Amino acid sequence: AQSVTQPDIHITVSEGASLELRCNYSYGATPYLFWYVQSPGQGLQLLLKYFSGDTLVQGIKGFEAEFKRSQSSFNLRKPSVHWSDAAEYFCAVAPRRTGANNLFFGTGTRLTVIP
Amino acid sequence: DAGVIQSPRHEVTEMGQEVTLRCKPISGHNSLFWYRQTMMRGLELLIYFNNNVPIDDSGMPEDRFSAKMPNASFSTLKIQPSEPRDSAVYFCASSLSPNTGELFFGEGSRLTVL
Repeated sequence: AQSVTQPDIHITVSEGASLELRCNYSYGATPYLFWYVQSPGQGLQLLLKYFSGDTLVQGIKGFEAEFKRSQSSFNLRKPSVHWSDAAEYFCAVAPRRTGANNLFFGTGTRLTVIP
Repeated sequence: DAGVIQSPRHEVTEMGQEVTLRCKPISGHNSLFWYRQTMMRGLELLIYFNNNVPIDDSGMPEDRFSAKMPNASFSTLKIQPSEPRDSAVYFCASSLSPNTGELFFGEGSRLTVL
């Protein structure tokens, strides 16, 4: 079955520490891949996306993600977390046959940042 | 520039009542989406439109739900009659073109059905 999995429901990191949020997908062919962020009481905002080409993708707010075909993963990273990064992060996929706007979201990872 | 505008932000109603949620997409965006977010089911795509035409409504839960987009600047999601299990945050999002993957979300409408 097609799916996108975020194994970590909640992660806590100290401000200034590095961050990695995991995302795995299960699709017949590599889908389009995305990370979105949702701050409390807000809608979602696109951080970055992967369509093809360079497997290391740079996004907004200092985030990056790496696509690893062999692991069916698209993990999100940030070298130094700021308190304002506290939010919920969603990995999303879109099957290539249906187009990049047909997004299926993972269950999300809530990030808490402690001083 | 104004983002996606949703109204109302909060709605509390009683079971059996009709609920209408409204959305104004970003000007110039050709695609519009309705999502529902709950703790149990996460984010679910209900329906999306391209150029005001419904493309995929397979996510609409049942006949009690209907969505319309009478013009490029307005869409509604209606629930009639509402049930407690419809309680959720409903998001509207728009996109500049059909294949960018970049959706711009509104702040959501939180619906509580008692």
